[in-house]
Amino acid sequence: GAGVSQSPSNKVTEKGKDVELRCDPISGHTALYWYRQSLGQGLEFLIYFQGNSAPDKSGLPSDRFSAERTGGSVSTLTIQRTQQEDSAVYLCASSLGGGGVSQPQHFGDGTRLSIL
Amino acid sequence: SQQGEEDPQALSIQEGENATMNCSYKTSINNLQWYRQNSGRGLVHLILIRSNEREKHSGRLRVTLDTSKKSSSLLITASRAADTASYFCATDANDYKLSFGAGTTVTVRA
Repeated sequence: GAGVSQSPSNKVTEKGKDVELRCDPISGHTALYWYRQSLGQGLEFLIYFQGNSAPDKSGLPSDRFSAERTGGSVSTLTIQRTQQEDSAVYLCASSLGGGGVSQPQHFGDGTRLSIL
Repeated sequence: SQQGEEDPQALSIQEGENATMNCSYKTSINNLQWYRQNSGRGLVHLILIRSNEREKHSGRLRVTLDTSKKSSSLLITASRAADTASYFCATDANDYKLSFGAGTTVTVRA
């Protein structure tokens, strides 16, 4: 079956514009995660969705960042009024959720965001 | 803050040699996972080792876990050019949120 799909793969935009990043998880995966990866760094957790539960937004760096997951499937990460420090690769992952233990996560190839 | 920290930051080896990298973490965990990331791609899950396990193998990969020292190691045996990538450990302090280290960049020379 298909893996995690992210679009666009690259996005270049001007400072101050809004951007929308999309993630299509593996079918049947109830858990979905967004991460941010700056050049040469590890992954910074942003937000987590699990089924119909309220999302864990504890990693969102500011109120300019928001995310939705519609119908328990596709997710959109929105960054408003982008700033240069938002430039990074945004990675989405999905996993079989629940069970009270962490599961292997399946990652998309990310969206490389560049703010001019 | 990052829970796991990999060591060394970078490693360069000859094809056929073994590569070992280490991960240290700070708090108690349920599981520890290792991932590989090729340049420009997403992360690929390699191995998950549970806190009550000490060693796990998958093909040419061997992972150890020492919960008393809060450390893990990943050994890649008989390395190949295709093993050139960054390797990350990820730990969980609860049931879903993984904390990733900054990774070890491995270069395998032909």
